Amino acid sequence: QSVLTQPPSVSGAPGQRVTISCTGSSSNIGTGYDVHWYQQLPGTAPKLLIYGKDNRPSGVPDRFSGSKSDTSASLAITGLQAEDEADYYCQSYDGSLSAYVFGTGTKVTVL
Amino acid sequence: QVQLQQSGPGLVKPSQTLSLTCTVSGDSISSGSYYWNWIRQPAGKGLEWIGRIYVGGSTNYNPSLKSRVTISVDTSKNQFSLNLSSVTAADTAIYYCARVSGWFDPWGQGTLVTVSS
Repeated sequence: QSVLTQPPSVSGAPGQRVTISCTGSSSNIGTGYDVHWYQQLPGTAPKLLIYGKDNRPSGVPDRFSGSKSDTSASLAITGLQAEDEADYYCQSYDGSLSAYVFGTGTKVTVL
Repeated sequence: QVQLQQSGPGLVKPSQTLSLTCTVSGDSISSGSYYWNWIRQPAGKGLEWIGRIYVGGSTNYNPSLKSRVTISVDTSKNQFSLNLSSVTAADTAIYYCARVSGWFDPWGQGTLVTVSS
């Protein structure tokens, strides 16, 4: 069950900025649990992209940034590149379910 | 560099038990710094958290799978395992293991498990 809602798809031209929303509720993001983001290239395992309050693992370009407000979060990709074409997932913790929860996933297409 | 290597059968018959193992290198499960998790992804669909285990053996499971899931740890082999009982075609998916400290990183390579007779 996905309790975090994301748009199915977003697209943009190379060099543009795109954002992906992640909408939760008072039992997860709204409670203050951190939101983390993952990139999944076709045929590969998800890869950590953003963790905590807008932190990037080594090797992740600063074109990727995260933010959070109330019961939602967002991932922004600036200077969109062809290599950014992938599926993106948000993730948090839900206190009511006592479970980690993932977003529904968003496919990013570079036009 | 921490790496998680998954092993186990890719084909399981309906009503039987799915069993996978994740071997950790570059870190010690016994360190007690992380939770060790299983996640799955049906073809063309999103990610579903299955459950986690801590070094002491304490576990937490997704409520939707709790009655059929068992996660165990073998610290002597630096491995943790997943058992999912009474499988059906709906359990066909890519299964991943992952280390967690709030966020999932790193991930195993994934194992496609097909439930079919």
